[in-house]
Amino acid sequence: GAVVSQHPSWVICKSGTSVKIECRSLDFQATTMFWYRQFPKKSLMLMATSNEGSKATYEQGVEKDKFLINHASLTLSTLTVTSAHPEDSSFYICSAKTKEPYEQYFGPGTRLTVT
Amino acid sequence: GQNIDQPTEMTATEGAIVQINCTYQTSGFNGLFWYQQHAGEAPTFLSYNVLDGLEEKGRFSSFLSRSKGYSYLLLKELQMKDSASYLCAVMDSNYQLIWGAGTKLIIKP
Repeated sequence: GAVVSQHPSWVICKSGTSVKIECRSLDFQATTMFWYRQFPKKSLMLMATSNEGSKATYEQGVEKDKFLINHASLTLSTLTVTSAHPEDSSFYICSAKTKEPYEQYFGPGTRLTVT
Repeated sequence: GQNIDQPTEMTATEGAIVQINCTYQTSGFNGLFWYQQHAGEAPTFLSYNVLDGLEEKGRFSSFLSRSKGYSYLLLKELQMKDSASYLCAVMDSNYQLIWGAGTKLIIKP
């Protein structure tokens, strides 16, 4: 089946620094990738939708200058949390979609802790 | 607005059957998904329904009624490892997933 990887799986950083999270589709070409964040005991919140070669579409309330998304190829998307603050601590999950509209595969998630 | 409702928490006994309900109101419908999520892990796909009726897959079954905006996930022969959150999600007319808050299922021996 389709596999999506994320790196790193967990990261601890200091307040004010930037953190980059990679999302890769390992055995298929992802026309679209999604970035979610999830707070404890809460559902997934879509942050942005990323199409290969074009700018990401951000959901309302998500700061595009703070959460930089790059979708450089059909197998790689990156999320950079700039000038991280403790309130950015969360579980970040990416998913990748193939051409078939209903097929969306999730990465294992990245747990970010900002101290 | 778009809305997905499911119970916050349910408790069941090992070996029993449990039904988790989901009702939805969305702009357009391109299918309903059920995902399982263990604590600290990403969701894993369980089922996809786009037509009315029951889809059976081993111990898990999922039902959809589009006219009622209703779905349920049925888990049979419950095992302790089934303790997890179960997320209902609907794909809207823009092919985006609208997520429910999830139902935490607690299995007792």
